[in-house]
Amino acid sequence: SQELEQSPQSLIVQEGKNLTINCTSSKTLYGLYWYKQKYGEGLIFLMMLQKGGEEKSHEKITAKLDEKKQQSSLHITASQPSHAGIYLCGADGGGSEKLVFGKGTKLTVNP
Amino acid sequence: DAGVIQSPRHEVTEMGQEVTLRCKPISGHNSLFWYRQTMMRGLELLIYFNNNVPIDDSGMPEDRFSAKMPNASFSTLKIQPSEPRDSAVYFCASSFVSGYTFGSGTRLTVV
Repeated sequence: SQELEQSPQSLIVQEGKNLTINCTSSKTLYGLYWYKQKYGEGLIFLMMLQKGGEEKSHEKITAKLDEKKQQSSLHITASQPSHAGIYLCGADGGGSEKLVFGKGTKLTVNP
Repeated sequence: DAGVIQSPRHEVTEMGQEVTLRCKPISGHNSLFWYRQTMMRGLELLIYFNNNVPIDDSGMPEDRFSAKMPNASFSTLKIQPSEPRDSAVYFCASSFVSGYTFGSGTRLTVV
């Protein structure tokens, strides 16, 4: 079965700093999803990547999928307290609807 | 659209009691997923339905757990009898083709 490993597990940064979160898969990624979760709330969809080398951006958040489609990164530029939360990557195994998730990266942004 | 609606938001019950969690998916979405989130294990898929039919229930921990989807607009996850180790946040998500929308979750505490 597919497993996703996220690093780091937690991250504390000063407001205004850039940061990167990584997601590595044990198998080829057919669809890679990034979600953000605030404490006590559901998951909010950020972006989906499918093609090797693909890169997408939304406001100050950029996600990339490597050419081999086994690793994705999420980069936040000039972080703000509003970026704080848990970031999760999820992947489908190709031909299946179900998503497997990593354990998440907890981001704290200090003002 | 109101999104995926889960009820109750919080549930505290005594060990041995029956617990029923409810979910209303987004209208038009044909797949529904039940996840459980804990600190130790992260987000785990319990079961998913497509067009109201259970497709994969391999994540259901044991016979104490059961899920139903009697129609396209309603699903339940039942635990009977409940145990303290069932304490977790239970999420429902729905999708159409790709991309999940999550509910806000039900925080279950079994004492």
